[in-house]
Order: sequence, then structure tokens, then C-alpha cells
Amino acid sequence: KAGVTQTPRYLIKTRGQQVTLSCSPISGHRSVSWYQQTPGQGLQFLFEYFSETQRNKGNFPGRFSGRQFSNSRSEMNVSTLELGDSALYLCASSTGTVDSGNTIYFGEGSWLTVV
Amino acid sequence: AQKVTQAQTEISVVEKEDVTLDCVYETRDTTYYLFWYKQPPSGELVFLIRRNSFDEQNEISGRYSWNFQKSTSSFNFTITASQVVDSAVYFCALSEEDYGQNFVFGPGTRLSVLP
Repeated sequence: KAGVTQTPRYLIKTRGQQVTLSCSPISGHRSVSWYQQTPGQGLQFLFEYFSETQRNKGNFPGRFSGRQFSNSRSEMNVSTLELGDSALYLCASSTGTVDSGNTIYFGEGSWLTVV
Repeated sequence: AQKVTQAQTEISVVEKEDVTLDCVYETRDTTYYLFWYKQPPSGELVFLIRRNSFDEQNEISGRYSWNFQKSTSSFNFTITASQVVDSAVYFCALSEEDYGQNFVFGPGTRLSVLP
């Protein structure tokens, strides 16, 4: 069974640009979340999508947005990039239902560098 | 408010030594879930264990064991006879949701196992 797949794995952007990251969840998983990991702040929850609807949101500015498609694939977008947005962005998936529990499985992440 | 503390920032051991990684959590909920994840240099967070607040039984999986003590709000992780492949950053996480993905992660403990 394929795991969580994230693309691209590495990218470099210039301050002020915008970026879109993609995530394909484990087959059958309907819930996808995104986390930002930085040396200073650690792992921080960005948002979660379930069945194309945002179910939960962390404490990030509106420049960070996401969406989920009918096939459960998800994208996150960061507009007007700042140097502080340089981070590893991790996507995670789960079944999203109570009966299956809330164990989440992560992808390898997208390393974003803003210069 | 939820909080996870991993007081050990870095630990170095020699191969075959036993090592314990500490995790202390804070929550006001009576129902919650605790997790351990391993992050190798590739970046992916690898799921190790999930424990709910009603199950205080210790668990052993091969060389890995976990000690959950509600009285001290701790969920410690022990690796017996450590190996070089165990070198990674280990994260403890807390969730108060039955099926959501909004986890609170600790800062992580970097384990180096030297040959």
C-alpha cells in the first residue's frame, strides 16, 4: 500500500512569490492535514481537510490556504512568501473517522527555501 | 491548553545501550491520545505507537517499549539494545480528538547511537 506522497520534495522560491504544494494521501484515507516544521517553532498544525471541507485550522495567517479534491488529494498554497516561511511542510493522512481512530501517517515532506 | 514537553534535546549512546526518551504532557481532557513518531534524516515522520488515555498498560514491541503513567502525565519510550539505525529525532504528540488530526507535538529528542 502506497504511503503519503508529497510533491515537490525540494523547492526554492523568492520572497513575495507564491507556492503550491501537493499531497496524495494513503488510498482510502479521506482526511488530510498539513504541518509546518521549523527549527525554531517545531511542528505546528496548519489545517485539516475531510471530504473536501476544512475541518480544523491552526494559528497561521491567511497567506496559508489549502484545499482538498474529491479524490482526497490536497494542495496547500502560501502566497506572498516571507523568509520565515522556509520550512519542511509535512502532509499527513488518516481515515478521519471515529471507528478507525486518529492515527495519522506522514509523507516525506516538501522542503521549501525562501530567498 | 495542551502541551507536550520533551526535556531531553539530544541524547548520545553507544550501540547496545538501553535508552529512555522522556515525554510529559498537559491536558484538561479526560479522553486523549498519545503518540510517538520517529523522524529519520529523510524527513518523514514514522508512526510508532498510539495510546488512549484509558489504556495504561505498558506496551512492548520488539526492542521498543512504552511506559504510560497518568499519575505523572508521562509517556516514556525505551529502546533496548540500541542500534545505529535507531538514530533519529523522536517526537511525542498529544491529541484530544477522536478522529481529528490537530496534534500537539513536543520539541523532539535527537538520538544518536554511536557504533
